[in-house]
Amino acid sequence: EVLLEQSAGEMKKPGDFLKISCQGSGYNFATDWIGWVRQMPGKGLEWLGVIYPGDSDARYSPTFQGQVTLSVDKSISTAYLYWRGLQPSDTAIYYCARLRYDIVTGYYVYYLDYWGQGTLVTVSS
Amino acid sequence: QSALTQPPSVSGTPGQTVTISCSGSTSDIGRRTVHWYQQLPGTAPKLLIHTDDQRPSGVPDRFSASKSGTSATLAITGLHSDDEAHYYCALWDDRLNGVFGGGTKLTVL
Repeated sequence: EVLLEQSAGEMKKPGDFLKISCQGSGYNFATDWIGWVRQMPGKGLEWLGVIYPGDSDARYSPTFQGQVTLSVDKSISTAYLYWRGLQPSDTAIYYCARLRYDIVTGYYVYYLDYWGQGTLVTVSS
Repeated sequence: QSALTQPPSVSGTPGQTVTISCSGSTSDIGRRTVHWYQQLPGTAPKLLIHTDDQRPSGVPDRFSASKSGTSATLAITGLHSDDEAHYYCALWDDRLNGVFGGGTKLTVL
């Protein structure tokens, strides 16, 4: 069974550093991309970016480029999302999910199939 | 990519059929496959439909989807009270850049 287990919620102050984690199990973690999604309070889903555990290739949505950093430690099947200086506007639930791909009529099709339970990050002074 | 456009809300009574639209453009829906997610209150999103119209195992056949041109549609037949949730369409391009629709809240009256 594919599982993505995320770290517990965090309460931080503006300017704090934070790293949250997402540990995969039940599949070959190194060969599937891990994506991250933000959901601000009462709002919809936003694509943040993706990282490939095999070689740490990370790609960011333009909205989040420079705002956050993705990393991974494939030896422990864990992906990370971190901030060097949190802002109140970073308050949200952050989900990790496996980005699966299929080949359909010669084209790659990507979608998130299994999701973590989410990590609530609260930033307040 | 610009966000995909969904109606903010739809509603129906138990047993009815409801549809949720997802509108895009020739550069997104017109070129990529569309996927649908269900987010029940207080839970993580769940994959409902992938690759335009494919149901993962375990998803009831009351849920179906289609795509035509620059629009996609999710249909839910035989509406149940526990279908009450937010529904999102989404797609990814070859550079793995993703975009979600704004989400539609389904209310079962």
